[in-house]
Amino acid sequence: QKEVEQDPGPLSVPEGAIVSLNCTYSNSAFQYFMWYRQYSRKGPELLMYTYSSGNKEDGRFTAQVDKSSKYISLFIRDSQPSDSATYLCAMMTTDSWGKLQFGAGTQVVVTP
Amino acid sequence: DVKVTQSSRYLVKRTGEKVFLECVQDMDHENMFWYRQDPGLGLRLIYFSYDVKMKEKGDIPEGYSVSREKKERFSLILESASTNQTSMYLCASSLDRGYDSPLHFGNGTRLTVT
Repeated sequence: QKEVEQDPGPLSVPEGAIVSLNCTYSNSAFQYFMWYRQYSRKGPELLMYTYSSGNKEDGRFTAQVDKSSKYISLFIRDSQPSDSATYLCAMMTTDSWGKLQFGAGTQVVVTP
Repeated sequence: DVKVTQSSRYLVKRTGEKVFLECVQDMDHENMFWYRQDPGLGLRLIYFSYDVKMKEKGDIPEGYSVSREKKERFSLILESASTNQTSMYLCASSLDRGYDSPLHFGNGTRLTVT
């Protein structure tokens, strides 16, 4: 069983809708949680970063961490066609610096 | 802006060949990483380095080695390429060992081993 599970999609939404993405994980020691966005033929770029539990908001993006359920989410409000990409969750423990564990990525398509 | 440059976008090699993948970063970052990305598996860490001449194994180091002779350059070496090493290889760098020091990725090298 993989440590980080993520539905690969594709997830297709109309422009303006809310995109909801999530990952589940099995290692309760994970403390640092990230979301990366990857456009086609490009490397991933960091979108959001959260430590431990709670919410974090940045513009149209909101990241949530629920450590009791081992579940993290990313919400994209007012989605745009430019949000069409693959979204990867990643996480690591406090004693495994550098060893990020990634989900498989969810492909998102926002249609005009 | 941080730039992480991978020398080749596409590479085709034969089974048994020794393959070098090169990566250069221009922001004086301490740490550099090599990942491979496969459909359904996400990114998996092969090796990383937190200083010149230092290296640490990631989750899947078998069949690979690395070299970091200069701070800005991190090479991934496939000693004897095999077909199961066909993949997208991504290099990344980060400023320091702080947990809020994000990874900056290159655009990848798609390696095909025939």
